Order: sequence, then structure tokens, then C-alpha cells
Amino acid sequence: EVQLVESGGGLVQPGRSLRLSCAASGFTFDDYAIHWVRQVPGKGLEWVSGISWNSVDILYADSVKGRFTISRDNARRSLYLQMNSLRLEDTALYYCSRGGASGLGDSGFDLWGLGTLVNVSS
Amino acid sequence: SSDLIQSPSLSVSPGQTARITCSGDPFPQRYAFWYQHKPGQAPVMVIHRDTERPSGIPERFSGSTSGTTVTLTISGVQAEDEADYYCQSADSSSFVFGGGTKLTVL
Repeated sequence: EVQLVESGGGLVQPGRSLRLSCAASGFTFDDYAIHWVRQVPGKGLEWVSGISWNSVDILYADSVKGRFTISRDNARRSLYLQMNSLRLEDTALYYCSRGGASGLGDSGFDLWGLGTLVNVSS
Repeated sequence: SSDLIQSPSLSVSPGQTARITCSGDPFPQRYAFWYQHKPGQAPVMVIHRDTERPSGIPERFSGSTSGTTVTLTISGVQAEDEADYYCQSADSSSFVFGGGTKLTVL
């Protein structure tokens, strides 16, 4: 089955760190760019970060730049998001999503996981 | 990144046509993508590259463009189409979503 499955969310205090993972199956993982998109409860979708198939091209939203790091392991068919210096406003459901073929070009997200919830609270 | 503007809500009766618009600077130079999102489910791409319908998406979903505004049209709305709909585009350094339109089927 073609799917993305996120994990690693949970309750974390402000200023602490958390690492999210996304496991891919059913398609050739290293043919695609992969992204993280988040949704604050009751709000809209917000793109967080994206990584090209070979990890050469990486982009971040201004809201997470310098605090979050995206990475991938094509051999393990996995995507990661290292989140440091977490803030209350990072509380959201984090989705893993499949982007364009290979690069971070003018593309959308044609496959999504169900998300993993990150709750930043003291 | 550029903002994409959507109306917050739209209500239509079953069988009517719903038109959801999205305005922003990326258009028409950049492609528009549209997503349907129901509570507790993963978002689903319903239109890509402005007007193309992915495999498995019903023919009642269509996309169009006019200058800096793109439109998602749902012809013959069904109860199952009740959801949040988001437009999305990209530039050289980021990806951006519209604020979303909540479609209510009366």
C-alpha cells in the first residue's frame, strides 16, 4: 500500500527538543521530494520544510528556520524533522507529504500521512 | 513568501455548483494546487497544475485560472464534498497555502 506514516509526536516543554519520523512504503521513496506540513488545531495548513530526493536542496519556512532540521535516509525510506527550541506556537499536527519528482520545484503534495501531534506546553 | 487569499466559508445546496476562489501574487506564473481536507483524515489533492485532476478524483472537480485568481469548481455538489478546501502554490524559496474555505453542504 502506498502510504506515509508519521511518528514521534508528544507532549514537550517549551525550549526542549523533539524528533519526528515519517516512514514511507509502496513507492520509490528516493524518486520524490518530501515535506513537512503542520496544522494548528482549528487553523489552516502551514508548510514547514521540504527536502529534495538527494538532500541537496532543503527549504524551511521562516517560522522554523534555525530551529528545525529536516533530513532523510533513503536506505531506510524515512524522513525526519529535528525540532529544537520548541515554542508554544509550534503546537500542531505535523503531516509528512510527498512532493514533486526529485526536486523542490513548482509542485504540490500528492500523498499525505495522518499526522503526528506535537503539544508544546509547560 | 506570498499570501494566498480565500474566502473563509461557502454554503451550497446539494446539486448546485460551488466555486472556491484563491487570489495571490504567485499566479499566473506559478501553478495552483487544491486540496480537500476532512476532519481526522489526510488531505487529498483534488487539482494539480492549475487544471489537472489526479487519478481517482471525480470529474465534478475542476480548476481554472484568470490572472492572479484561481478557482476550484465543484459541479453537482454532493454531501460527501463537505470539507475544508485549500489552495497552494510555490515560489523559489517556499511553499504557501491559502487560509482555507470551509464548504458546507446544506
